[in-house]
Amino acid sequence: DQQVKQNSPSLSVQEGRISILNCDYTNSMFDYFLWYKKYPAEGPTFLISISSIKDKNEDGRFTVFLNKSAKHLSLRIVPSQPGDSAVYFCAASAGDDKIIFGKGTRLHILP
Amino acid sequence: AAGVIQSPRHLIKEKRETATLKCYPIPRHDTVYWYQQGPGQDPQFLISFYEKMQSDKGSIPDRFSAQQFSDYHSELNMSSLELGDSALYFCASSLGLGLAGFYNEQFFGPGTRLTVL
Repeated sequence: DQQVKQNSPSLSVQEGRISILNCDYTNSMFDYFLWYKKYPAEGPTFLISISSIKDKNEDGRFTVFLNKSAKHLSLRIVPSQPGDSAVYFCAASAGDDKIIFGKGTRLHILP
Repeated sequence: AAGVIQSPRHLIKEKRETATLKCYPIPRHDTVYWYQQGPGQDPQFLISFYEKMQSDKGSIPDRFSAQQFSDYHSELNMSSLELGDSALYFCASSLGLGLAGFYNEQFFGPGTRLTVL
């Protein structure tokens, strides 16, 4: 059973506009959430994270929002740039050293 | 900056053969994690080591074993390979284990692509 769900396999956004990637989770024990970005032929790269005690964390163009009651988090990228085209993985941890990944969303930034 | 090194980058094996994947963590990192990503799948956690001891175990088949050595590098040994073992195997490293509420970021290597024919 998928504990971390990314229901959109792909997303296309015009350059300069806002990209929003969504993620849902089922395990209420998760207390730390991460977003990883992956280019082809490379390993996932950490992007941004949020602890369950917060509802928002911002780092430059990237903001992660957490809605604990809905078990939902989202990643906002604004403005979207061509280099943002990649696969984005949502991931979660329940306070141990193991990360549970979603299936990923492929983001295409259109010129 | 030094990153996680994995070798080999590509490996082709036949069914029932064995394979050994190596991971060299970022200097001073003492924790290593192994993940398996099948085609079109999300990365699945296999196993992790902290200070040369197994710290957590995920969906690792009994045919696979791993260890972490005194220099903190890790090897994933895979025996009796099956077609379904074809995947991208990622290694990640971190400094220490994550504590509740304070997660130690994992840095991923580029992966080893294993193809079983």
